[in-house]
Amino acid sequence: DIQMTQSPSSLSASVGDRVTITCRASQGISNYLAWFQQKPGKAPKSLIYAASSLQSGVPSKFSGSGSGTDFTLTISSLQPEDFATYYCQQYNSYPPTFGQGTRLEIK
Amino acid sequence: QITLKESGPTLVKPTQTLTLTCTFSGFSLSTSGVGVGWIRQPPGKALEWLALIYWDDDKRYSPSLKSRLTITKDTSKNQVVLTMTNMDPVDTATYYCAHFTAVAGPEFDYWGQGTLVTVSS
Repeated sequence: DIQMTQSPSSLSASVGDRVTITCRASQGISNYLAWFQQKPGKAPKSLIYAASSLQSGVPSKFSGSGSGTDFTLTISSLQPEDFATYYCQQYNSYPPTFGQGTRLEIK
Repeated sequence: QITLKESGPTLVKPTQTLTLTCTFSGFSLSTSGVGVGWIRQPPGKALEWLALIYWDDDKRYSPSLKSRLTITKDTSKNQVVLTMTNMDPVDTATYYCAHFTAVAGPEFDYWGQGTLVTVSS
């Protein structure tokens, strides 16, 4: 199985900050990577697919980059509604695997 | 507009079989390139993929759970059913179904609200 490792596991930031979350795959996955946002008690919401493509309706403050084994999710100008847990997921090969999550908290 | 909703028991006993139904709208499972998958999340933990089914009835399972899982679809009812045998307390989790587009693997884009299943005697 391909292991997905996110860093950091948790992150404190202030409203208005720009933050970056990293996801590393244990082997190359081309650009078959997605990012999800999950708020407490809610289902994950797709933000980005194909490493850098924004899902319809997702604000442009979210951006993704990377290819191969190293990927990043950047969120600019943090707002209160952005504080959540973020997951990456590879879909290059079976089984599809998720990172352990990055919890973004208000400082 | 694509929507999915999970249904099934909220409480099962150890060793019992869990049956979950995903009822969806806004797409057809007879359309080439789409499918429905199941993902679970134990309380406070990360997401874990379980199984999925493609429009052409191709099925894939998590290797670690393959012996316990069965996924089927009823295209006429817009439903996908997941069964998991021999339930254990460690299977306590919120179970989600999700629509995906078939790329190399599943690109999950729309998710149901999830259903919490507790395994306890």
